[in-house]
Order: sequence, then structure tokens, then C-alpha cells
Amino acid sequence: EAGVAQSPRYKIIEKRQSVAFWCNPISGHATLYWYQQILGQGPKLLIQFQNNGVVDDSQLPKDRFSAERLKGVDSTLKIQPAKLEDSAVYLCASSSLRGTSGGTQYFGPGTRLLVL
Amino acid sequence: DAKTTQPNSMESNEEEPVHLPCNHSTISGTDYIHWYRQLPSQGPEYVIHGLTSNVNNRMASLAIAEDRKSSTLILHRATLRDAAVYYCILRTRYNQGGKLIFGQGTELSVKP
Repeated sequence: EAGVAQSPRYKIIEKRQSVAFWCNPISGHATLYWYQQILGQGPKLLIQFQNNGVVDDSQLPKDRFSAERLKGVDSTLKIQPAKLEDSAVYLCASSSLRGTSGGTQYFGPGTRLLVL
Repeated sequence: DAKTTQPNSMESNEEEPVHLPCNHSTISGTDYIHWYRQLPSQGPEYVIHGLTSNVNNRMASLAIAEDRKSSTLILHRATLRDAAVYYCILRTRYNQGGKLIFGQGTELSVKP
């Protein structure tokens, strides 16, 4: 079974530029999450989708961050314009509520963003 | 979700058992105890979870105190590949699909 795929793996941009990250979850997983992990800290949820609907975006800085999950499969996270403090690893995860592993989140390798 | 407390770091020798503690004194009766770990330059991965009874799987064992205010993740024989940050997380049984709230975790180093 293929895991969660993310691209790109690394991105360097200058402040005020825009950037987009892509995530392909595990096949059949209805729930998709985007987390932000700043160096030295644990991941923090930015947004959670159930199919193509938003469940929780309370921690998403909506003035500059946006995310979508068209057709309930792939998702993109965009930052526009980027700030220095957005330098972090952006992790995508997916989960299914079915079966004995229901609720377990499976994470991708992350995209490491550096804003100069 | 209730809060957990873990030591910032621990050291272990290769092929020896490791006991990673977690305190969760405000745990409620409906909270599951989950453990995830994050290897260097990778996303977190699920390790194990439990409610009241001790649990074993191929990766580790989870020992839960009788009053459920603390738990211990046990790696029976640490290998160099077990060097990671280990997170203890509480999740209510009524929101198993909800977000994970990560703390600082315990950074485990394994010496050869």
C-alpha cells in the first residue's frame, strides 16, 4: 500500500513570494490533515478535511494561507505572501475511521520550506 | 484533549530495553493514550495506543498505570533506528478522527 505522498520535498523562496504544496493521501482515506512543524516543536494542525469539506481550520492564518481538496482526494496548501516565520516543515497526513486502525494518522515525509 | 508531560530527552544503549514515561494526571475516562514517533527528517509514525489494559505490538509495549494517570512506552531492545522523538498524545474516544495535539515529546538517543 502506497503511503502519503508530498511534493516538493524542499522549497526556498523569498519573503512576499507565494508557494504551494501538494499532497496525495493513502487511497480510500477520507480525512486529510495539514500540519505545520516549526524547528524544535511538535507539529501543529493547520486544517483538516473530511472528504472535500473543511472540519477544522481554526489554526489556519487565513489572511495568507489557503487550502483545498477538490474531489476529496489530493490537496494543495498555498501561502501567499510568505513571511519569514512561515519557515517550517509542512506535513500532510491522512486517516480512515474504518477497521481496527481507525483514527490512526499516516504522515507523509513533509515539505521543508525556507523563507529568506 | 488533555495535556501530557514527558522528559525532554533520554539516552539508551543499543540492544537494551528503554522505558519512556508519560504523565497525564488530568486524563478522562474516555481518553485513549496514543504514542507516535518521529525519526529524523521524516513525518511522525504511529507506534501504539491503549485505553486501560497493557498493549503489545510488533514495535513496542504500552504499560498503563492502574489509575491511568501515567503510562510507559517500552522498547524491548533499542536499535540505532529507534533514535527519534517520541510523542505521548491523549485522544478522546468520541473524536478518533480529530487532530493530534503534539507536545514537545521525548528525544531518544541510542548509543552503539
